[in-house]
Amino acid sequence: TQLLEQSPQFLSIQEGENLTVYCNSSSVFSSLQWYRQEPGEGPVLLVTVVTGGEVKKLKRLTFQFGDARKDSSLHITAAQPGDTGLYLCAGAPSGGSNYKLTFGKGTLLTVNP
Amino acid sequence: DAMVIQNPRYQVTQFGKPVTLSCSQTLNHNVMYWYQQKSSQAPKLLFHYYDKDFNNEADTPDNFQSRRPNTSFCFLDIRSPGLGDAAMYLCATSRVRGSGDQETQYFGPGTRLLVL
Repeated sequence: TQLLEQSPQFLSIQEGENLTVYCNSSSVFSSLQWYRQEPGEGPVLLVTVVTGGEVKKLKRLTFQFGDARKDSSLHITAAQPGDTGLYLCAGAPSGGSNYKLTFGKGTLLTVNP
Repeated sequence: DAMVIQNPRYQVTQFGKPVTLSCSQTLNHNVMYWYQQKSSQAPKLLFHYYDKDFNNEADTPDNFQSRRPNTSFCFLDIRSPGLGDAAMYLCATSRVRGSGDQETQYFGPGTRLLVL
């Protein structure tokens, strides 16, 4: 069974601060997806990382996939209240016939004005 | 443009009264998933369809059933909802290539179910 440990589980910061969310596993993933979910809505895809060592940027968000494709991080620079939400990482299995994502437990981020 | 559509967005039902939630997709993806999500937790997979093949999770209660009449549509049936079934229900789709590699999953906006 693949596990994806996501930390921290809760994060409350002031506007303008930086933060990093981590997802770690002992398993290799073929890709890893990051989602943000706002209350009452479904998860919205932020990025998919596929290649080991890959770095992707989305405005103030920087995503990194570990060289061994076992871990990933999300860094937010100068957080804003609009960044508030539940951040989910999810790994797609490498090979085989398993088409299910392994989810981290989520990071509930609150950015205070 | 909406790619994964769920209806209704909010559903209120009575204890024990069957309810059906629907999902449709315009992505022509071959895999469709149903998840249950409770407050601020990660989604929990109930089952998924790979084309017409149904795959149930071992811990999904028998109370939950699903139908996929065609590529575009998938339904979640809750035969006798209990108070513990109140949750957000999410539909998602993805494409699995012939190589077996899974592409990104896209989620619908969810249906929030309230059981009275």
